Amino acid sequence: DVKVTQSSRYLVKRTGEKVFLECVQDMDHENMFWYRQDPGLGLRLIYFSYDVKMKEKGDIPEGYSVSREKKERFSLILESASTNQTSMYLCASSFGRRGDTQYFGPGTRLTVL
Amino acid sequence: GQQVMQIPQYQHVQEGEDFTTYCNSSTTLSNIQWYKQRPGGHPVFLIQLVKSGEVKKQKRLTFQFGEAKKNSSLHITATQTTDVGTYFCAGNGYGQNFVFGPGTRLSVLP
Repeated sequence: DVKVTQSSRYLVKRTGEKVFLECVQDMDHENMFWYRQDPGLGLRLIYFSYDVKMKEKGDIPEGYSVSREKKERFSLILESASTNQTSMYLCASSFGRRGDTQYFGPGTRLTVL
Repeated sequence: GQQVMQIPQYQHVQEGEDFTTYCNSSTTLSNIQWYKQRPGGHPVFLIQLVKSGEVKKQKRLTFQFGEAKKNSSLHITATQTTDVGTYFCAGNGYGQNFVFGPGTRLSVLP
């Protein structure tokens, strides 16, 4: 079974803090993704990565950056958290380049005060 | 850019009734996937459709991909309380990344 884990289920941060969300997958998948999920908006792609040290912007990259130093780990960074970044963050991984099944982690619910 | 829409946004049904959610894309899709997210859970892959007009079944669930590959539907026959959750479609245009629809939240009254 594919396992995707995220460092925290719940996180509370203050405006202006730097926030790190970590995601690890154990299936040697090439691709990893970060989404945010908000009511009525579905899942929106923030960033994705097709290989180590490679990253591409998704639909809503503003205010976020990512890091992929190892194949199994993909980090999402909020350089200076703001209240409008309060959301559920979901990490996913997949084997193929595009169009393959995505396996999701349990999610991190981030609250920025 | 590519947009994926789903209707309805919410659906409340009595246990035993049927349920259908519809997914529409602004562009032609290479393939479409369906995911289910239980309350408090994360999206879990259900199925992928690739061919024009394709129909696939999983027990009480029937998935359809439109002839023009721009729409899809998920139909559940005789809903059960275990069907509760949000159903997302996700489509990718040729050479594009997946775009998720906003989801249809299904509640089933016992």
